[in-house]
Amino acid sequence: DVKVTQSSRYLVKRTGEKVFLECVQDMDHENMFWYRQDPGLGLRLIYFSYDVKMKEKGDIPEGYSVSREKKERFSLILESASTNQTSMYLCASSSPLAPTGRDQPQHFGDGTRLSIL
Amino acid sequence: KQEVTQIPAALSVPEGENLVLNCSFTDSAIYNLQWFRQDPGKGLTSLLLIQSSQREQTSGRLNASLDKSSGRSTLYIAASQPGDSATYLCAEPPGYSSASKIIFGSGTRLSIRP
Repeated sequence: DVKVTQSSRYLVKRTGEKVFLECVQDMDHENMFWYRQDPGLGLRLIYFSYDVKMKEKGDIPEGYSVSREKKERFSLILESASTNQTSMYLCASSSPLAPTGRDQPQHFGDGTRLSIL
Repeated sequence: KQEVTQIPAALSVPEGENLVLNCSFTDSAIYNLQWFRQDPGKGLTSLLLIQSSQREQTSGRLNASLDKSSGRSTLYIAASQPGDSATYLCAEPPGYSSASKIIFGSGTRLSIRP
C-alpha cells in the first residue's frame, strides 16, 4: 500500500520564520504535489513536481517554494511565514501513467496543520 | 464509510455540446463536495466546491449541483470546447477539523472532439 508521510501533524511557527514542510513517499512515484486546504476554498494546488529537481507552479505558488532533491522527498518551504499561510497542508504522490493511459489517483498524506502566529 | 462513484468512466462529445458529468456518494451526511479537473501529468485543479448548506455553485461555463438526499452531484459544462478535455474528479474533502483522507471518485475522462 502506498504510504505518503508528512513529517509533522501539527506545527506552530511565528511570522517571518522560514518554515519547512517535509513529505516522503515510498512507492517510487514520479509525481508529487503540495496542496493547502482552507474552509470554504477546498483543496488548492501550490506546487507540483514530476521528476527530481523539476517543479512547476500550481494555482497559488506565491509565498512558497519547493525542493525535490530526491525522488521520494518533496519539501514545501515558506520563505517568510505570514498569518495568511495558516492552513492545512496536504502532500500527495502519483505515478504518471497507468496502463490505461490515465494518471493514477493521487495518494495523500495525513496533512500538516500549520499555524502562523 | 463513504464511497464516491462517477459514471461514465469516459465520455466523448463534439465541440459545442452541453454535457453533464455524474457523481454519486453513499453517505448523505456529506460535508463538502468538490469537483476537480486533472490534466495528464498535472496536479488537481479545483473547479467548484459546494458546501453542505449550498445546492449549487457556478463558475463561467461550469455549474455544479449537490442533492444530498439522493446522494448525487452533477457537473454541467455548457458549450464544450476542446480545451475542456481532461479527467474530471469529484471528491469529498475531509472536514477541516480532521485530517482524514480525501475520498475521490474514479473520474470521468472527457474528450471534446473539434
